[in-house]
Amino acid sequence: EPEVTQTPSHQVTQMGQEVILRCVPISNHLYFYWYRQILGQKVEFLVSFYNNEISEKSEIFDDQFSVERPDGSNFTLKIRSTKLEDSAMYFCASSESRVTEAFFGQGTRLTVV
Amino acid sequence: KNEVEQSPQNLTAQEGEFITINCSYSVGISALHWLQQHPGGGIVSLFMLSSGKKKHGRLIATINIQEKHSSLHITASHPRDSAVYICAVKGFPGNTGNQFYFGTGTSLTVIP
Repeated sequence: EPEVTQTPSHQVTQMGQEVILRCVPISNHLYFYWYRQILGQKVEFLVSFYNNEISEKSEIFDDQFSVERPDGSNFTLKIRSTKLEDSAMYFCASSESRVTEAFFGQGTRLTVV
Repeated sequence: KNEVEQSPQNLTAQEGEFITINCSYSVGISALHWLQQHPGGGIVSLFMLSSGKKKHGRLIATINIQEKHSSLHITASHPRDSAVYICAVKGFPGNTGNQFYFGTGTSLTVIP
């Protein structure tokens, strides 16, 4: 069964460093999403991406964040100048269309020290 | 913004019990997702529905659009069903847009 894959599964970084979280969505999917979940809290939307551009972003997704589809398969989330409060589980998801089921990756646990 | 409320927050059941988890939301939606999150953190999609009822194995999901309410039922519960169950809703274009709003989750523990 096709699945969304995320790498790495766990990343530890020093405060102030840049990190890139990688995702490979399901191949025929056109809509891509990043979500995050701070430990003990609910999942929060960061950004959605369609047709090689951001279609929607939340207030969390400020200039510190950026997304890119560098090739036909990868979808990346870059976090610049990481802060302690960026520590969270980051989930990538994809869906075939806006109204069909979204499939989630296993997440990347980011720890900023 | 869509406010998504789930109840109960925590639920402990004996193996074999019938379980119901509820989800209410505040603004009209185009779809509702039921998701399962295991202790390791990974999220698995269970159902996406916009009307009526869906069944998959021992899981049944229903939605009442007029009442802005959905339920997830688990029949003949088993310890492997222990997980956090999350409700997430998506709005219409121009309303709550192309993002999911998540509930806080219901933590289910099924005791053998």
